[in-house]
Amino acid sequence: EVQLVESGGGLVQPGGSLRLSCAASGFSFRSYLMHWVRQVPGMGPVWVSHINGDGSSTTYADSVKGRFMISRDNAKNTLYLQMNSLRHEDTAVYYCTRVGGYSSGYAFDIWGQGTMVTVSS
Amino acid sequence: EIVLTQSPGTLSLSPGERATLSCRASQSISSSHLAWFQQKPGQGPRLLIYGAYSWATGTPDRFSGSGSGADFTLTISRLEPEDFAVYYCQHYGSSPYTFGQGTKLEIK
Repeated sequence: EVQLVESGGGLVQPGGSLRLSCAASGFSFRSYLMHWVRQVPGMGPVWVSHINGDGSSTTYADSVKGRFMISRDNAKNTLYLQMNSLRHEDTAVYYCTRVGGYSSGYAFDIWGQGTMVTVSS
Repeated sequence: EIVLTQSPGTLSLSPGERATLSCRASQSISSSHLAWFQQKPGQGPRLLIYGAYSWATGTPDRFSGSGSGADFTLTISRLEPEDFAVYYCQHYGSSPYTFGQGTKLEIK
């Protein structure tokens, strides 16, 4: 079964750091581009960051540029999001998602169940 | 940045009825890069439609997508009880990959 499972969320103080993980299974992880997307409960999803298959290319939303870093370990089939200098407005559920291949039009075809990050003092 | 505006915000219908959801982009976009998602409480989004009108794996054929340019529509021909959820459109052609604010489909 193709699956993504996020972990690492929790409560952190403003200015603090957190590292999220996303464990992939059921597919050839290294062959797929991956994204992080976040969502405040009751609001629409918001794209955060993207990484290509070998990790050599990354992009970030302006709101997290310079504070967050996306990476991957293809040997461990795991995607990461290192979040530094966290702000109240980073509070959200964080999802990892896969960019599918030709058969799904290169859309975001598989999503995890999400991990909640709360930034509060 | 492409802004996607969905309407209505909430749609109240009964099982068996037809649902029409709208997604309007702030500028013309390629229909190849317009997707629709369904989301239920406590779950991640589920891809329903990609490329504006192509079914993702497992999407029932009562769901259909249409549109071009800046106006796109998701239609559910006959609502089943499991279809009551929140629906999002997304542009995924280039970053930033934006989503609409959602349409909540609720039981009347």
